[in-house]
Amino acid sequence: EPEVTQTPSHQVTQMGQEVILRCVPISNHLYFYWYRQILGQKVEFLVSFYNNEISEKSEIFDDQFSVERPDGSNFTLKIRSTKLEDSAMYFCASSDRGARGQFFGPGTRLTVL
Amino acid sequence: SQELEQSPQSLIVQEGKNLTINCTSSKTLYGLYWYKQKYGEGLIFLMMLQKGGEEKSHEKITAKLDEKKQQSSLHITASQPSHAGIYLCGAAPHEKLTFGTGTRLTIIP
Repeated sequence: EPEVTQTPSHQVTQMGQEVILRCVPISNHLYFYWYRQILGQKVEFLVSFYNNEISEKSEIFDDQFSVERPDGSNFTLKIRSTKLEDSAMYFCASSDRGARGQFFGPGTRLTVL
Repeated sequence: SQELEQSPQSLIVQEGKNLTINCTSSKTLYGLYWYKQKYGEGLIFLMMLQKGGEEKSHEKITAKLDEKKQQSSLHITASQPSHAGIYLCGAAPHEKLTFGTGTRLTIIP
């Protein structure tokens, strides 16, 4: 069964460093998403991406964040200068029909020290 | 913005017992999604409900959507240890999914 994959599973970084989280969506999906979940809190939407551009972003997704689909298979989230409060689980999701029926990856746990 | 409140926040149930988790929306529901999350892991899609009154079942899990009440319920029959985890409801009025607060389900033997 096709699935969304994410790498790495766990990333530890120093405050101020740049990180890139990688996702491989399900191959025939066209809609891509990033969410995050701070420990003990709700899963929160960050950004949606369709047709090679951002279609919606949340207030959390400020200038330190960017997304890219560098080739036909990867979808990345870059955090330019990490802060302590960026520590969270980051989930990638993909869908073949917009917001409905999103399939999630296993997540990358980001720890900022 | 749409808010989803789940109840109860946590639930401890003896194996074999039935249980219900509720999800109430602050706004009209045009579709409701149920996901399951094991601690520290990803979200597993369970079911999507799109129409008022719709009811879907998969194995021992049944979900219903009551649009008038802006509410959905998830019912598990004869619970098993494999049902343990965090259950999340989600709504997607636009592009993004908005999630509920989650219900942590523990199954005791």
